[in-house]
Amino acid sequence: GQNIDQPTEMTATEGAIVQINCTYQTSGFNGLFWYQQHAGEAPTFLSYNVLDGLEEKGRFSSFLSRSKGYSYLLLKELQMKDSASYLCAVYNTDKLIFGTGTRLQVFP
Amino acid sequence: DTGVSQNPRHKITKRGQNVTFRCDPISEHNRLYWYRQTLGQGPEFLTYFQNEAQLEKSRLLSDRFSAERPKGSFSTLEIQRTEQGDSAMYLCASSSDQYFGPGTRLTVL
Repeated sequence: GQNIDQPTEMTATEGAIVQINCTYQTSGFNGLFWYQQHAGEAPTFLSYNVLDGLEEKGRFSSFLSRSKGYSYLLLKELQMKDSASYLCAVYNTDKLIFGTGTRLQVFP
Repeated sequence: DTGVSQNPRHKITKRGQNVTFRCDPISEHNRLYWYRQTLGQGPEFLTYFQNEAQLEKSRLLSDRFSAERPKGSFSTLEIQRTEQGDSAMYLCASSSDQYFGPGTRLTVL
């Protein structure tokens, strides 16, 4: 079966750091995507990991461990506009399999 | 704008009616994907095309759903005899890197 787990909700304070975890068990693996999605809008691409390790892109970083079936998205210097859902998705045999998303609320 | 575009952005219809959505991918991208997203859930794969060939269809895609991509350019997704359970955001994505369009929000009354 295909299973992707991430926390349903998280809260954090403006200026802080937050880590959103994602664990997966899928029949195949060709990479892992993270997307940001604001309410009522389409997902926007944040990062793609295919090899183990950390990928850094500005305030956002993403980590992958294929042996552990684990990834995280790290958001630094949180801003109010970072309040959104964050979707973890495994690229498996030519399509994405998504988790249910983590709704992040940033408070002043 | 060279991104993925979808039309219409919103569609309200009555149960039993047919609806058709259109997706225009990024021009040089050969792959085009359709996903469906309901409230509080992540997107679910429906189908995808490599040029004009439809290579995979999810079991979610009942016989009321049909997708086409004539000439390997834009794609259409048709839902016949809509049901209230079809209410969702229908997302189109382009290429293996999965750039999403803005989506079509369908509401079936």
